[in-house]
Formats: sequence, C-alpha cells, structure tokens
Amino acid sequence: SQQGEEDPQALSIQEGENATMNCSYKTSINNLQWYRQNSGRGLVHLILIRSNEREKHSGRLRVTLDTSKKSSSLLITASRAADTASYFCATTTDSWGKLQFGAGTQVVVTP
Amino acid sequence: DAGVTQSPTHLIKTRGQQVTLRCSPKSGHDTVSWYQQALGQGPQFIFQYYEEEERQRGNFPDRFSGHQFPNYSSELNVNALLLGDSALYLCASSWEGSFTYEQYFGPGTRLTVT
Repeated sequence: SQQGEEDPQALSIQEGENATMNCSYKTSINNLQWYRQNSGRGLVHLILIRSNEREKHSGRLRVTLDTSKKSSSLLITASRAADTASYFCATTTDSWGKLQFGAGTQVVVTP
Repeated sequence: DAGVTQSPTHLIKTRGQQVTLRCSPKSGHDTVSWYQQALGQGPQFIFQYYEEEERQRGNFPDRFSGHQFPNYSSELNVNALLLGDSALYLCASSWEGSFTYEQYFGPGTRLTVT
C-alpha cells in the first residue's frame, strides 16, 4: 500500500498560471519530499521539508506541511511548458531514508 | 560528476526467465535503493543496500534479490519472471553521512515480460 496520496490525479493549466497539488499521508513522518518525473523516466528531487518545518521555498516552488492534518501541498508559480511532468510526494518514516511514494499528479502545461 | 547510471535501458524477457539489472551510484554515495514503478503508479520500495548488506526490504517476494559490490554498485536480480513484473525499475543512491535523506535516481530500466 502507498503512504501518500496526491490530489488531483491530473491537472491541466496554461503557461503563466500557478499549479497546486496536494499530498496526504497516513503515519507520522521524518520528512516529506517532492519529486518530478518526465515521461516515465528517472525522478528528480525538487524539495525536502522536515517534519518540524511548515513552509519551504525553492525558486518557483513553495511547499507547505501540516503535520496535524498529515498533508502537504506543492505550489508551482508562473508555470512553463517545461513543467509538464508527473509530480510525486514521498515520505520518510525511518532513519535510513526509505521513500514511500504516492500515486502522483500528472501536470500538463500548455503554451 | 556522473550521476546514477543504470543498465540496460530496456529489456524484454519471457515468463519464467531470470533478469539482472545494474546500477552505479553517484560518486561519493554508499547506499543504493531499488524501486519498482508499475505504469501509472508511484515507485514501490524493493530493498536497500549499505556496506554490501541488504539493510531493509519492502513487500516483495524472495524472487527479488540483490547485491552490492565493494565499489558500491549494485545489482537487482529477479527470478521466475511473471507478467506482473513488467515495470520501470529505478535505482537511487544516497550518502549515509548526509542525513538529508535526499536520494538521487537513475533513469531506470524498463522491463517488459511477455
């Protein structure tokens, strides 16, 4: 079974718009990470937020974490066609860094 | 600085056969994890190797086995292939001393079982 669940499953927006996707998880975590995957290839690490953090920024990315609701959100501002990809949240619950992924949100950005 | 590399890129096998997938971690990394990603789903953790030992394992049968070599590279072996083993197999590496939990993924090996 998967630890995280992303919402929505798919998102279609135009260039310049913001994209928001959410992730819910089931158990207490050490940290939560977001990854991007283009066309079914390898995953690229985007951002990590620790369980004692509430918000983090990296370039056009903003991640929030609400441990009381066991949820996180990823905001991509001013989206570009190159942002078209699948986005996954992954949680770590042990000290060895095993990742537990959700099913992902497929984002399509049209010019 | 080479990132994580995997070979082969694609592989087609027949049910019942055995397959070996290979992974070279990013330079400086000593821990290798393997994930299976079925079409349309998120990756599922198979196992993790550190200091040439399997340190932890996900919910996969014993048909899935692995190895880590002294140079930290790793192999994933799958015996008695089933149609359901068709998936993208991802290798990820990390450095035990980083404590950041960030993992670097390779491009994956797409396995098709016919």
